[in-house]
Amino acid sequence: TQLLEQSPQFLSIQEGENLTVYCNSSSVFSSLQWYRQEPGEGPVLLVTVVTGGEVKKLKRLTFQFGDARKDSSLHITAAQPGDTGLYLCAGGGYQKVTFGTGTKLQVIP
Amino acid sequence: ETGVTQTPRHLVMGMTNKKSLKCEQHLGHNAMYWYKQSAKKPLELMFVYSLEERVENNSVPSRFSPECPNSSHLFLHLHTLQPEDSALYLCASSQTRDSHYNEQFFGPGTRLTVL
Repeated sequence: TQLLEQSPQFLSIQEGENLTVYCNSSSVFSSLQWYRQEPGEGPVLLVTVVTGGEVKKLKRLTFQFGDARKDSSLHITAAQPGDTGLYLCAGGGYQKVTFGTGTKLQVIP
Repeated sequence: ETGVTQTPRHLVMGMTNKKSLKCEQHLGHNAMYWYKQSAKKPLELMFVYSLEERVENNSVPSRFSPECPNSSHLFLHLHTLQPEDSALYLCASSQTRDSHYNEQFFGPGTRLTVL
């Protein structure tokens, strides 16, 4: 069974601070996706990374796929209240997708 | 309508009721999924349909019965549920299941409460 552990589980920070969320596994994945879920809504895809070592930027969000394709990180610069939500990583493989345990982020104005 | 829609958004039912959840995707995708999201648990994949054929059933109790009449619609029929089945039920679609990416497009979910 493939497992994806995210850390931290919960994070509460002040507006303007930086943060990093980690997604780790002992399994290799073909791709790694990050989703954000706001209260009362379904998860929304933010990014997909597919190459070991790949870095992708989405405004203040920076996503990195580990060299061995077993882990990933999400770094947010100058967090804003609109970044509040549940962040989910998901490992992709042929005919499979495995979701991580989630990181709940609260950004306080 | 665009994306993935789900109805109803909220549902309260007794343990002896029968109800159905509906999902519709307007993305032209070939695969559809049902997930269960409970507090303090990772997202649990329940069922996968690819080209209207059920291809995955992850040990889900028979009180949950999926139906996929065409590639745009997915139903989850519920009967004699238990209080522990209370959760957010999410529908998702992906372009195809036969991929290494399987990027998921989710609906807003149905918040189910079983009394």
